[in-house]
Amino acid sequence: DIQMTQSPSSLSASVGDRVTITCRASQSISSYLNWYQQKPGKAPKLLIYAASSLQSGVPSRFSGSGSGTDFTLTISSLQPEDFATYYCQQSYSTSCSFGQGTKLEIK
Amino acid sequence: EVQLVESGGGLVQPGRSLRLSCAASGFTFDDYAMHWVRQAPGKGLEWVSGISWNSGSIGYADSVKGRFTISRDNAKNSLYLQMNSLRAEDTALYYCAKVKSGYGDYGFDYWGQGTLVTVSS
Repeated sequence: DIQMTQSPSSLSASVGDRVTITCRASQSISSYLNWYQQKPGKAPKLLIYAASSLQSGVPSRFSGSGSGTDFTLTISSLQPEDFATYYCQQSYSTSCSFGQGTKLEIK
Repeated sequence: EVQLVESGGGLVQPGRSLRLSCAASGFTFDDYAMHWVRQAPGKGLEWVSGISWNSGSIGYADSVKGRFTISRDNAKNSLYLQMNSLRAEDTALYYCAKVKSGYGDYGFDYWGQGTLVTVSS
């Protein structure tokens, strides 16, 4: 099975900051990497698919990059509504798997 | 508008069974693969199972293989998860999710609100 490891597990930042979250796969997954945002009590929301494609309706301050085993999610200028937990997910194998999550908190 | 509505959760004793349902609307159900994802209280997301549009391709997480069975009824626009031999560690909020494309290559673009399964004596 493919293991997904996110770093950091938690992060404190301020409104306006540029933030980067990293996701590493235990083997190459090409560009089959997706990012989700989850707020408390809500279902996850797809932000980025295929490593770098922005899902419809998602603000352009979100961006993704990477291929192979190393990927990043970047929020260019944090907004108050961005404080949430972020998950990466590999869709390379039929048994897709998620990272453990990164909780983004207000500093 | 795409809607996914899960049902069938509840409190169940260890070793017993439960069947979850997901009613889909707002899209052509039989064009898309569907998946179940769960989240234990205070924990992260865990993929459980997926099924292709025509039920020809099915997958399970190792943690549920042999105990859970995914199925779908395209005529009823419904997805199911039969859960047998339930364990305390199966306690979670279970989401159904629609793929954006293919079997799930580009992630899950719509999710239900989840149905809570609690396994306890």
